[in-house]
Amino acid sequence: EVQLVESGGGLVQPGGSLRLSCAASGFIFSANTMNWVRQAPGKGLEWISYISSSGSTIYYADSVKGRFTISRDNAKNSLYLQMDSLRAEDTAVYYCAREVYYGDKHWFDPWGQGTLVTVSS
Amino acid sequence: DIQMTQSPSSLSVSVGDRVTITCRASQSISSYLNWYQQKPGKAPKVLIYGASSLQSGVPSRFSGSGSGTDFTLTISSLQPEDFATYYCQQSYSIPRYTFGQGTKLEIK
Repeated sequence: EVQLVESGGGLVQPGGSLRLSCAASGFIFSANTMNWVRQAPGKGLEWISYISSSGSTIYYADSVKGRFTISRDNAKNSLYLQMDSLRAEDTAVYYCAREVYYGDKHWFDPWGQGTLVTVSS
Repeated sequence: DIQMTQSPSSLSVSVGDRVTITCRASQSISSYLNWYQQKPGKAPKVLIYGASSLQSGVPSRFSGSGSGTDFTLTISSLQPEDFATYYCQQSYSIPRYTFGQGTKLEIK
């Protein structure tokens, strides 16, 4: 079964740091592009970061650029998101998602169950 | 960034209804449009990719259409398990995959 499991969320003070992990199983992790998407409470979905299969190509949304760092360890089948200088507006459920391709079409499948990050004093 | 606008934001519907949700892109995205379903407390699940291709395992009452800037998701006969929030996503502007704001289906 293809599965993604996030961990590492929790309560952190403004200005603090947190590292999220996403453990992959059931597929060849090293062959897949991965993404992080977040969802603030009661709000919609926001793509925040992308990492290619080798880790050589990385992108960020403007809202997190310079504060968040995406990385991966293909030997451990794991994806990470290092979040620094956290703000109240970063409070959200964070999902990791595999990017799937068919021809020139691509989408996210599956998604992890999500991990909640709360930034509050 | 490409903006995605869904309408309506919410919809009160009954079991058995035919439901249509619209998604409009701020520029042409060809057929690079995906639809997801999200139930409360759960992760999104892909229903349609490439504007009209049904993801494996998704019931055939779901269908998608459109190209360019205007797209629709149709549920031919709403079932109780379909009450959820639906999101469109453009995959034209890699990797800035913007989502629509969501459409929540509520029980009438």
